Amino acid sequence: DSGVTQTPKHLITATGQRVTLRCSPRSGDLSVYWYQQSLDQGLQFLIQYYNGEERAKGNILERFSAQQFPDLHSELNLSSLELGDSALYFCASSVGGSGYEQYFGPGTRLTVT
Amino acid sequence: DAKTTQPNSMESNEEEPVHLPCNHSTISGTDYIHWYRQLPSQGPEYVIHGLTSNVNNRMASLAIAEDRKSSTLILHRATLRDAAVYYCILKPGNTPLVFGKGTRLSVIA
Repeated sequence: DSGVTQTPKHLITATGQRVTLRCSPRSGDLSVYWYQQSLDQGLQFLIQYYNGEERAKGNILERFSAQQFPDLHSELNLSSLELGDSALYFCASSVGGSGYEQYFGPGTRLTVT
Repeated sequence: DAKTTQPNSMESNEEEPVHLPCNHSTISGTDYIHWYRQLPSQGPEYVIHGLTSNVNNRMASLAIAEDRKSSTLILHRATLRDAAVYYCILKPGNTPLVFGKGTRLSVIA
């Protein structure tokens, strides 16, 4: 158990819908990272927040957004969902902003039908 | 991003040491070498990282070549639980992790 929690574990929704994925980092970790893992693209970094502020951005679509709240939990919002958004979404956390040791949650499996 | 080259797959017998190689000939002076693994149906798991010197922790050892153009992750005694995809990643400072395809390790009982 990494100490990072993600909810829900599974999500099935229809194209065009909007969903919110939630992540609680390990106690004491200030950084939260979001990754997407699909069969064709592998594990891809989406975005990082550090102590409430956006720190780094990767291959995140404009339809996706994230935020980190004062209690340090984070939410990833996915809107106008397409079939290709079906994937595993992982959250990770680390103590500092440099991300030298990232601890990953169990993931949320999103299926868009 | 600096690139790494890893074998697609490797096989090991249970209770034997495993040496997982990683080539990174274009590594720069500020690149740290990170290893993560992903067990089936789980999120990635941090294993170890280092810059120039060899590193040991409870999970594994990291041996870094003197010219830093290659490194080896050593699992001292493989167990069935070590069957996973192992990722070798170069990370220059405050930049995101970039995962490649990794090495799929199979452990035979």
